[in-house]
Amino acid sequence: DTAVSQTPKYLVTQMGNDKSIKCEQNLGHDTMYWYKQDSKKFLKIMFSYNNKELIINETVPNRFSPKSPDKAHLNLHINSLELGDSAVYFCASSQGTGGYSPLHFGNGTRLTVT
Amino acid sequence: GNSVTQMEGPVTLSEEAFLTINCTYTATGYPSLFWYVQYPGEGLQLLLKATKADDKGSNKGFEATYRKETTSFHLEKGSVQVSDSAVYFCALRGPEYGNKLVFGAGTILRVKS
Repeated sequence: DTAVSQTPKYLVTQMGNDKSIKCEQNLGHDTMYWYKQDSKKFLKIMFSYNNKELIINETVPNRFSPKSPDKAHLNLHINSLELGDSAVYFCASSQGTGGYSPLHFGNGTRLTVT
Repeated sequence: GNSVTQMEGPVTLSEEAFLTINCTYTATGYPSLFWYVQYPGEGLQLLLKATKADDKGSNKGFEATYRKETTSFHLEKGSVQVSDSAVYFCALRGPEYGNKLVFGAGTILRVKS
């Protein structure tokens, strides 16, 4: 009965490869997010979708492309992986886009690029 | 400047000690304020929140009060346990920041038995 689930939990790949991370939420929320956590634990938002529409797109290389097939899913595809992409990627969801709603996070995907 | 500033860690305490993790924020309006906790190897969990001035959020023995006059939301617990060892993140969310959840840098807490 996991609320926000991400797969895979660990992803090890070589530079130049293309990879995807999947996220699903069963909370009935209409807004989903991708956050990146660097090696110093700093968290920064990358993207947000509301009802399948992109509403937040931070300064992220265009090698990163999110896709939301429906409200419950937000996948992250990364092309031409680079060493600097190594990080933990967290998916999250919330009800609405307003400031009162807390975000619910998945357990993260640790991406290691060699 | 930073939107959310937390005290640097790591903070190391003995079991049953009193905990304070300072958090101050920068905003002209009234954002909602949150504390999240990240246990080793896990995702972030909402610990508590406050949505208006003078509100007190509380959960699992932790408390934080929304202080508009000092723009602070310090996290406190009267008696910590080894199981409280984790990274604690202060965060805000409000129209001034495009309703994005903006995090502080995180504070590592280590509790020794």
